[in-house]
Amino acid sequence: KAGVTQTPRYLIKTRGQQVTLSCSPISGHRSVSWYQQTPGQGLQFLFEYFSETQRNKGNFPGRFSGRQFSNSRSEMNVSTLELGDSALYLCASSLSQGGDQPQHFGDGTRLSIL
Amino acid sequence: GENVEQHPSTLSVQEGDSAVIKCTYSDSASNYFPWYKQELGKRPQLIIDIRSNVGEKKDQRIAVTLNKTAKHFSLHITETQPEDSAVYFCAARGYIPTFGRGTSLIVHP
Repeated sequence: KAGVTQTPRYLIKTRGQQVTLSCSPISGHRSVSWYQQTPGQGLQFLFEYFSETQRNKGNFPGRFSGRQFSNSRSEMNVSTLELGDSALYLCASSLSQGGDQPQHFGDGTRLSIL
Repeated sequence: GENVEQHPSTLSVQEGDSAVIKCTYSDSASNYFPWYKQELGKRPQLIIDIRSNVGEKKDQRIAVTLNKTAKHFSLHITETQPEDSAVYFCAARGYIPTFGRGTSLIVHP
């Protein structure tokens, strides 16, 4: 069974631009969560989607948004990019929504802001 | 919100020794506690998890213990091997998942 797939793997943008990252969950998994990983802040939860609806959200500004499609694939969008948005963005999928569902991570998208 | 403290930040052991990593959490509503291993440049991998209705869980050389009253949980790795070298993260899941800052485990041959 294929794992969680994230595209692109690397991305370079400049301040003020916007970016869209994509995540395809493990087949059969219906919940997708997004995380930001930086050396300074560690792993931080962005949001979780299940059945095309955002179920909960971490403490990030409204510039960070996402959506989920009927096939469970998810996209994350960051608008008006700032230097501090440089990070590894990880997607994780689980079978269903729920606090005790094991999550499986993708390889991430490394976003660099110049 | 939830706060997860993880210690130590770095742990250096000799091959064959045991390693213990400890985490504390603040939200009593947290009910799921996974541990992840992340090798350099790779994705975090779930290595073991424990739910709030269980006090201990073991999988070969890895075990996790949970003390709900004290709000702390620990990862125990026995008979460490060089390939165990990685960064280990604990997490607590209540309303949202919150991760510890990670422990860099170095196993010397």
